[in-house]
Amino acid sequence: AQSVSQHNHHVILSEAASLELGCNYSYGGTVNLFWYVQYPGQHLQLLLKYFSGDPLVKGIKGFEAEFIKSKFSFNLRKPSVQWSDTAEYFCAVITSGGYQKVTFGIGTKLQVIP
Amino acid sequence: EAGVTQFPSHSVIEKGQTVTLRCDPISGHDNLYWYRRVMGKEIKFLLHFVKESKQDESGMPNNRFLAERTGGTYSTLKVQPAELEDSGVYFCASSPTSGSSGEQFFGPGTRLTVL
Repeated sequence: AQSVSQHNHHVILSEAASLELGCNYSYGGTVNLFWYVQYPGQHLQLLLKYFSGDPLVKGIKGFEAEFIKSKFSFNLRKPSVQWSDTAEYFCAVITSGGYQKVTFGIGTKLQVIP
Repeated sequence: EAGVTQFPSHSVIEKGQTVTLRCDPISGHDNLYWYRRVMGKEIKFLLHFVKESKQDESGMPNNRFLAERTGGTYSTLKVQPAELEDSGVYFCASSPTSGSSGEQFFGPGTRLTVL
C-alpha cells in the first residue's frame, strides 16, 4: 500500500523567507502527485498536481513542486512566503487511473510571521 | 458552480448515540469519496462511490459505519453506535468521471465530537 511522508509538521517562517516542504511517497507503480492546502476556516483545495511531463510543476499563488522519481519525492517550494500563506499543506498521492483513493501525508502547518 | 457541501458542520454527541452526516457533491460528479481525519493523524480514505455503487470501501473502520448514496446524488454516512474514537473531521470529496485529472474537490468537512 502506498504511503506519504511529510518531514516537517510545523514550520514557522518570517515573511519573504523561502519555503520548502518535503514530501516522499512509497509506491512502486505510477503515481499522480498533489499538494493540497487548507487555509484557516476554508476547504481543502488543490495547490498543484503532477501527472506526467515536466517534473517541475507550477501551481497557484507562486508555489511550485518538483517530482524527483529516483528519490520518490515531490517537495513543495515558494521563494518568498507571505502572511496569507499561513495554512496547512498536505502532500497526497493516488495511483494511476485517476479515480482511486487519495493517500495523504500527515500535513504541515505553516505559520508565516509578518 | 456550487462546491461540495456537507451537513452539519459540527456535531457533538454522546457515546452510543447515532449520527448521520450528509454530503452533496458537485452536480454531475459521479465519484464521491469519504475521508476522515482523527486529530493529529493523516486524512484517511473511508470509501468511494461511483454513482450509487460502492467502488471501494476498504477504509471503513468497522460495521458501525454505513454509507449510502441512493440515486447517485448525495451521500450519507451513519455512525451507529458512536464511540469515542470516532471523533474527528469527516471530509467528503467528489470528482467527475470522464476527462478527470484525478483532482478531487473537497467539502468543508463535518467535525464530529463523541463524548
